[in-house]
Amino acid sequence: DAGITQSPRYKITETGRQVTLMCHQTWSHSYMFWYRQDLGHGLRLIYYSAAADITDKGEVPDGYVVSRSKTENFPLTLESATRSQTSVYFCASSRGQGTHNEQFFGPGTRLTVL
Amino acid sequence: AQSVTQLGSHVSVSEGALVLLRCNYSSSVPPYLFWYVQYPNQGLQLLLKYTSAATLVKGINGFEAEFKKSETSFHLTKPSAHMRDAAEYFCAVRDGSSNTGKLIFGQGTTLQVKP
Repeated sequence: DAGITQSPRYKITETGRQVTLMCHQTWSHSYMFWYRQDLGHGLRLIYYSAAADITDKGEVPDGYVVSRSKTENFPLTLESATRSQTSVYFCASSRGQGTHNEQFFGPGTRLTVL
Repeated sequence: AQSVTQLGSHVSVSEGALVLLRCNYSSSVPPYLFWYVQYPNQGLQLLLKYTSAATLVKGINGFEAEFKKSETSFHLTKPSAHMRDAAEYFCAVRDGSSNTGKLIFGQGTTLQVKP
């Protein structure tokens, strides 16, 4: 019963480098989400996906790229990392678009950009 | 557009005291509201959710929340705080402008429980 996992849990990188954060869920949930958590801002949605090969922008998508070739995976790529992208990143999944469907969260990835 | 405001970024209570975490929402459609808890170095876990079935919602770990439409509030309460309740709590409203299940989160409230 792995649920939803994220890797790596911690990452330190340098400005300008490409970084990919992985998210994997074992429930075959249709919807997946990427959030970033910053002090004073709560959680802000970066990108989401309704199904394989269907993605859309959230509140703060600039500087990020996502893909969803398989239902269970939803990687988030920072093409050229900046210091402002230092944050804790959470992946979440949801069974469907129904109003009652809650989101299940992964443990997070703490990213530091030097 | 939907929004959530959590009043008080930090709340401190003594062990055994009442816990009250405040959440007010703004929504142009009937809201679906959630409370999540985040323990240190962990992801978010659902405490409870309001889906219009009942205005008083009971959740895990002894928490409950009451939906008050007239006050546009969904405050979280627990009669007696435990040390293990120390965590960050997030109120969220489902984005009613789409069918994607997106959530809009408040800024969070850190609950400190003193012995």
